[in-house]
Amino acid sequence: ETGVTQTPRHLVMGMTNKKSLKCEQHLGHNAMYWYKQSAKKPLELMFVYNFKEQTENNSVPSRFSPECPNSSHLFLHLHTLQPEDSALYLCASSQEADRGLNTQYFGPGTRLTVL
Amino acid sequence: QKEVEQNSGPLSVPEGAIASLNCTYSDRVSQSFFWYRQYSGKSPELIMSIYSNGDKEDGRFTAQLNKASQYVSLLIRDSQPSDSATYLCAVMRSQGNLIFGKGTKLSVKP
Repeated sequence: ETGVTQTPRHLVMGMTNKKSLKCEQHLGHNAMYWYKQSAKKPLELMFVYNFKEQTENNSVPSRFSPECPNSSHLFLHLHTLQPEDSALYLCASSQEADRGLNTQYFGPGTRLTVL
Repeated sequence: QKEVEQNSGPLSVPEGAIASLNCTYSDRVSQSFFWYRQYSGKSPELIMSIYSNGDKEDGRFTAQLNKASQYVSLLIRDSQPSDSATYLCAVMRSQGNLIFGKGTKLSVKP
């Protein structure tokens, strides 16, 4: 248990559905991250929020829309996804996003399948 | 050249042996380096962080960093079957973002 929780743990959705992934951290951190992990690929950074401000959008398609209402919560809103978006989506948090000595702690992930 | 490179394995070692996992990185200004362990179907779990050249030991794990060679490694002594997992090397860019390698799959045979 790292202090980062994610819901749901598993999600199956059609290409026309709209769904949201939720992440919550109980570590008092100020930075939160979304990563995508596909089979046989490295973890890919998607978005970074530092003190609720988005500081990184790693060329992610607009069908993924992040939201960070406060430093403890992070959402990823999904709409009109493609089958190739099926992956493990991981949330992480760290003390801050712009300091080189920060350590990131990961949540358990949401396994997403797009039909 | 990939930013962070690891041999994908699988690396197979007998129980009780030393497992040696290697990682090279391309960004010379990187200052922070991490090893994560990921069991199948689970999320990455931090094992070690290292920031200075040399060795850092924590129990059965030793991380080694050589910034001149842009090389970081993880040694696991007295390997156990429970160490069987994929080990991810991560390098932190100056702005604080982590870049991950593809990971090395380790198999420890009883």
